[in-house]
Amino acid sequence: QVQLQQSGPGLVQPSQTLSLTCAISGDIVSSYSAAWNWIRQSPSRGLEWLGRTYYRSKWNNDYAVSVKSRITITPDTSKNHLSLHLNSVTPEDTAVYYCARQSRYCSSSDCYEVYFDYWGQGTQVTVSS
Amino acid sequence: QSMLTQPPSASETPGQRVIISCSGSSSNIGTNYVYWSQHLPGTAPKLLIYRNNQRPSGVPDRFSGSKSGTSASLAISGLRSEDEADYYCATWDDSLSAVVFGGGTKLTVL
Repeated sequence: QVQLQQSGPGLVQPSQTLSLTCAISGDIVSSYSAAWNWIRQSPSRGLEWLGRTYYRSKWNNDYAVSVKSRITITPDTSKNHLSLHLNSVTPEDTAVYYCARQSRYCSSSDCYEVYFDYWGQGTQVTVSS
Repeated sequence: QSMLTQPPSASETPGQRVIISCSGSSSNIGTNYVYWSQHLPGTAPKLLIYRNNQRPSGVPDRFSGSKSGTSASLAISGLRSEDEADYYCATWDDSLSAVVFGGGTKLTVL
């Protein structure tokens, strides 16, 4: 059974960096059959996909245009976790943040993605002084 | 503003059937699979439907999904009180190169 355990501060000062960690059990962060995503949810913006990291012979990252200049998602194979760093935060970044697994399945004829079969418990992050 | 459009709320009585719609465009639902998840306060979201109409192991067959053109729907039959939750559709958008979500539908079981 896959479990994603999130950790990190619930309060971040404006202009600082928001940092969260997602510890993975039951799978490995470098799996060829998975990608590891960060998603956030706020009353004003709803659910918003932020980005993902995945390993396919090398590490790859995809980021949402809305946060591309401020976001870094980093895997740590030694700890089997991934981290989210979002810099220069403003109150607009206040949200519940989730990590989530995206799985890739391949048959003899095709491959397809499954968004998102496992989620973390969510972390409320408030940006305020 | 969500890229996919869902009704903000839906309601039905126990035992009945409810359908939740999700409308998109040719760059998202029109060309990619649709996914549905159930969100309950204080718990991790749960995947209900993947690849338009497939149920993960453990999801009751009361939940079903369908897709036609640039729209998709989630049907829940034999409604139970525990089905009261927020339901979200999601898919990949080729123009944005991003996962996009609906705004969510809050289901009330009367």
